Amino acid sequence: EPEVTQTPSHQVTQMGQEVILHCVPISNHLYFYWYRQILGQKVEFLVSFYNNEISEKSEIFDDQFSVERPDGSNFTLKIRSTKLEDSAMYFCASSDWTGNNSPLHFGNGTRLTVT
Amino acid sequence: AQKITQTQPGMFVQEKEAVTLDCTYDTSDQSYGLFWYKQPSSGEMIFLIYQGSYDEQNATEGRYSLNFQKARKSANLVISASQLGDSAMYFCAMKRTQGGSEKLVFGKGTKLTVNP
Repeated sequence: EPEVTQTPSHQVTQMGQEVILHCVPISNHLYFYWYRQILGQKVEFLVSFYNNEISEKSEIFDDQFSVERPDGSNFTLKIRSTKLEDSAMYFCASSDWTGNNSPLHFGNGTRLTVT
Repeated sequence: AQKITQTQPGMFVQEKEAVTLDCTYDTSDQSYGLFWYKQPSSGEMIFLIYQGSYDEQNATEGRYSLNFQKARKSANLVISASQLGDSAMYFCAMKRTQGGSEKLVFGKGTKLTVNP
């Protein structure tokens, strides 16, 4: 069964550094998302992306964050200058359409640790 | 705004018994989707089951069923014949489906522990 692939599984970085989290969505999917989950807390929406542009973003997704689909397969999340509070599990997800019966398929996540 | 409430931070069940995980939601939308995801200790998010707001019958997927009561705005997950591998966090989520946001809004989750 096709799946969403995220790399790396764990990223450690120093405060102030830039990080790029990588995702390969399911190949025929058109809608892409990033979510994050701070340890022990609920899953929070960051951004959705369709047709090469952001369709919605949350308050968390400020100017330090950006997303890109550099080619036909990858979908990346960049954090320009990481802060301690950016430490979380980051999930990429994709769906094939936005109808009410289309689940989001999540990757296994990237655990980001900012020291 | 949409909101999902899961009032059970933790639940315990004996292996082979059934368990119900509660989920209530709040929305002014007429059309929406309700989803349940499982998150094992390894961290991945696994889609389990879906219920549409216009679906008349409760959704079922193997040992999972969704007890959907639209008037009460509840979408409880029922797991029958619990297995040790069912021990995990379970998240209820809601998605608006027409003319608006495509995002899923999650509840805080319920940690299920299956005892042998």
